[in-house]
Amino acid sequence: AQSVTQLGSHVSVSEGALVLLRCNYSSSVPPYLFWYVQYPNQGLQLLLKYTSAATLVKGINGFEAEFKKSETSFHLTKPSAHMSDAAEYFCAVYTSGTYKYIFGTGTRLKVLA
Amino acid sequence: GAVVSQHPSRVICKSGTSVKIECRSLDFQATTMFWYRQFPKQSLMLMATSNEGSKATYEQGVEKDKFLINHASLTLSTLTVTSAHPEDSSFYICSAQGQGNTGELFFGEGSRLTVL
Repeated sequence: AQSVTQLGSHVSVSEGALVLLRCNYSSSVPPYLFWYVQYPNQGLQLLLKYTSAATLVKGINGFEAEFKKSETSFHLTKPSAHMSDAAEYFCAVYTSGTYKYIFGTGTRLKVLA
Repeated sequence: GAVVSQHPSRVICKSGTSVKIECRSLDFQATTMFWYRQFPKQSLMLMATSNEGSKATYEQGVEKDKFLINHASLTLSTLTVTSAHPEDSSFYICSAQGQGNTGELFFGEGSRLTVL
């Protein structure tokens, strides 16, 4: 069975500091992994995705994530936080065999001035 | 990227009435759409998978007679909350699956339902 665990429901960073949002997955078959961002009262927007190509994936707004099979992780990072990055971030796993997405519980990122 | 439009974005209704939410894929054909429910400060809960031209597949615990899903065309799926009650108040989000096997989801803007 697939599962996704996001460590830390709330993360606070100072503006300009490194952003690190953690995601660990469990999947019996090679997964596709996604990070989505959600702003208040809006749907989800895709930040980046891993689809078995390069393990380091670059996304929009300066975010990137690295797929580490040995650690079953897909952590999201950004070198320098901006105030506009404050939002809810969801990690998700999908396998074509199940045709289902499993979302993590989300991490709310707060950026301090 | 692909665009999915959801309407209405906000709706307030009286208890006992029915509310319809539309989800449209604007620039691609979506054979499969998904409906999620999101409670405040929580993750997305998959309610049902909507397949064009066939009956929706509901997740365990979701009342199919309460949440009617219709996917009449490749670009439109609708969710009707029947005989709404205050406990049905929530944020409902639809998504459509993109082309290919990577399964990227494109999300609508969400619909906030408030039942008085």
